[in-house]
Amino acid sequence: KAGVTQTPRYLIKTRGQQVTLSCSPISGHRSVSWYQQTPGQGLQFLFEYFSETQRNKGNFPGRFSGRQFSNSRSEMNVSTLELGDSALYLCASSLAGGGYEQFFGPGTRLTVL
Amino acid sequence: KNQVEQSPQSLIILEGKNCTLQCNYTVSPFSNLRWYKQDTGRGPVSLTIMTFSENTKSNGRYTATLDADTKQSSLHITASQLSDSASYICVPYGGSQGNLIFGKGTKLSVKP
Repeated sequence: KAGVTQTPRYLIKTRGQQVTLSCSPISGHRSVSWYQQTPGQGLQFLFEYFSETQRNKGNFPGRFSGRQFSNSRSEMNVSTLELGDSALYLCASSLAGGGYEQFFGPGTRLTVL
Repeated sequence: KNQVEQSPQSLIILEGKNCTLQCNYTVSPFSNLRWYKQDTGRGPVSLTIMTFSENTKSNGRYTATLDADTKQSSLHITASQLSDSASYICVPYGGSQGNLIFGKGTKLSVKP
């Protein structure tokens, strides 16, 4: 069974631009969660999607948004990029979220110049 | 407030030695606790998941313990290998959707 895939793996943008990251979950998994990880910080929860609906949201500004498609693939968008948005963005898929085991993708390394 | 504290922040050991990583949490309610291994620049990989009723769980050379009464967990690594060099993250789950609280991790370096 293929694992979680994320594209692109690396991205360089400049301040003010916007970016879209993609995540394809494990086949059969309906929940996709997104996390931001910066050096020295734990994973910070961005949001979770289940069956095309945002089910939970972390404490991030509205510049961070996402969506999920009918095939469970998910995208995350960050508008008006700031230097502080430079981070590793991870997505995780699980059968139904919550207490189910999460499987993480390799991440997208975003650098904002 | 839900919090997770891991200790030590970093650890250097020689190959072949054992080590124990600690995790204290204040998540409530509590459903289960996970330990993840994260190589630098990669996504975390699950090592163990323990429910509140489990005291010990092993995965090869990794053994996790849980004391739900004192809200403490530990991860013991036996006969360390160079490939064990990574960050180890403790993640208690509070039983509500999306309520995974990630610790900042312990960075382990195994030297030859």
